[in-house]
Amino acid sequence: GESVGLHLPTLSVQEGDNSIINCAYSNSASDYFIWYKQESGKGPQFIIDIRSNMDKRQGQRVTVLLNKTVKHLSLQIAATQPGDSAVYFCAERYNQFYFGTGTSLTVIP
Amino acid sequence: DTAVSQTPKYLVTQMGNDKSIKCEQNLGHDTMYWYKQDSKKFLKIMFSYNNKELIINETVPNRFSPKSPDKAHLNLHINSLELGDSAVYFCASSQGSAVNIQYFGAGTRLSVL
Repeated sequence: GESVGLHLPTLSVQEGDNSIINCAYSNSASDYFIWYKQESGKGPQFIIDIRSNMDKRQGQRVTVLLNKTVKHLSLQIAATQPGDSAVYFCAERYNQFYFGTGTSLTVIP
Repeated sequence: DTAVSQTPKYLVTQMGNDKSIKCEQNLGHDTMYWYKQDSKKFLKIMFSYNNKELIINETVPNRFSPKSPDKAHLNLHINSLELGDSAVYFCASSQGSAVNIQYFGAGTRLSVL
C-alpha cells in the first residue's frame, strides 16, 4: 500500500523555540494533506490541512509548507510550548488517507 | 459531549476469544472508519462505511467484521483473536462521502494474551 514517511522519528526542542517536523509523501497524485497531533492516550486530532494547489498555509502558531516537486510536507510550530509535546502525523489523501509513522515531539521546559 | 466515543477503552482477552468494540459519533457525519495503530504508532485504515455501506475494505483478515446498524454507529467484531491483533483501534468519522478531515475517538487498547 501507500506509505508516508517522516524524516525524524523523535524531536526534542526547548520551550519557546520553533519546531519543524518533516514528512515525505509517496504519491504525486495526492490532492490533500493533513497534519494530526496525537497526545498520549488520545486519538489523533486535526491541526491544519493544505490542498495540493497551495504551497503554504498558516494557522495559529502553525504553518504547513508543501513542496510538490520533491513530495515534501513540513509542519512548523512557532514558540513551542510544553502542551505541544505529542506525536505528529502527516496524512496524504489519494482516494483515502495514508498516514505516516509519526514524529514524537518533546518540549523541554 | 464526546464527538466520537468508543467502548471499551481497554480490552484484555485470551487468544481464541471473540470480542467487539463499539463506536458512536454524534457529529451527524456520513462516513465512519476503523483504524489500527501498532506499537510503533503506525496508523492503518481497516474499513470505511458511508451511510451504512462499506466503501473501503483494506486487506484485513476476515476474522474482523465491521457492522454499521446506522450511520452514527460502526462496531468492530473480531473472531478468534490472535496475539498479533494486540494494538490500539481507533474509530473516526468525517462529513460527506469524500474522504475529509477525520475526527477520531480516544481509541481502544486491545491486549491479546
